[in-house]
Amino acid sequence: NAGVMQNPRHLVRRRGQEARLRCSPMKGHSHVYWYRQLPEEGLKFMVYLQKENIIDESGMPKERFSAEFPKEGPSILRIQQVVRGDSAAYFCASSHGQGGLYNEQFFGPGTRLTVL
Amino acid sequence: GIQVEQSPPDLILQEGANSTLRCNFSDSVNNLQWFHQNPWGQLINLFYIPSGTKQNGRLSATTVATERYSLLYISSSQTTDSGVYFCAVGDSGAGSYQLTFGKGTKLSVIP
Repeated sequence: NAGVMQNPRHLVRRRGQEARLRCSPMKGHSHVYWYRQLPEEGLKFMVYLQKENIIDESGMPKERFSAEFPKEGPSILRIQQVVRGDSAAYFCASSHGQGGLYNEQFFGPGTRLTVL
Repeated sequence: GIQVEQSPPDLILQEGANSTLRCNFSDSVNNLQWFHQNPWGQLINLFYIPSGTKQNGRLSATTVATERYSLLYISSSQTTDSGVYFCAVGDSGAGSYQLTFGKGTKLSVIP
C-alpha cells in the first residue's frame, strides 16, 4: 500500500516565479492537509481539504498561496510570485477521515522549496 | 489555540541508554501523534495515541489525557534513533483536524 506521495522532492525557483507542489494521498484517504516547516521552526498547519472542498485554510498566508484537491488527480499547493521567505519544506499529510483511528495523519516525504 | 510544549529540547545519549521525552498540551485533544523526523527530513509515524499506552519494539508511549501530557520512551537507544521527535495534537474543540506541533526534542545517540 503506497504511502503519501509528493512531487517534486526538491524545487528551485527564482523570485517572482510560481511554484506548484503536488500531493497524492494514501489509497483510500480522502482528507489532505498541508504543513510548512520553515528553517529553525516547527511544522505549521496551512490548509485542510477534502475532495473539491477547502475545509480549513486558517493557516494559509492571505496572498499568493492557494490549494486545491480536485475530484480527480492530486492535491496542489500553488505559490505565486515566490519570495525568499517561502523557502521551506512543505509536507502533505492524509487521513482516512475523522473519528477514532481515522484521525491518524500520515505524512509524505515533503517538497523542499528553495527560492533564489 | 492549543499550546504544545516538549522537553527536553536537546538530548544526547550513549548508545544503549534509555530516555523519556515529554509532551505537555494545554487543552483536551482528539488526536495525539508522535513522529520521528530522521536526518533526511522524513516524518515517520511512531504512535497515534490520544489516550492510553502503546508499545512498538523498543519504543512505547503513554498519554494521560486528563492530565494533558504524553510520554515517549526509547529503550536501548541506537544511533539510528537520532533525529528530532515531534509531538503533535489535534484540538477537539477546534472543529478542524489540523495538528499543532511542538518544537521537538533533538536526540543525538553517540556510539
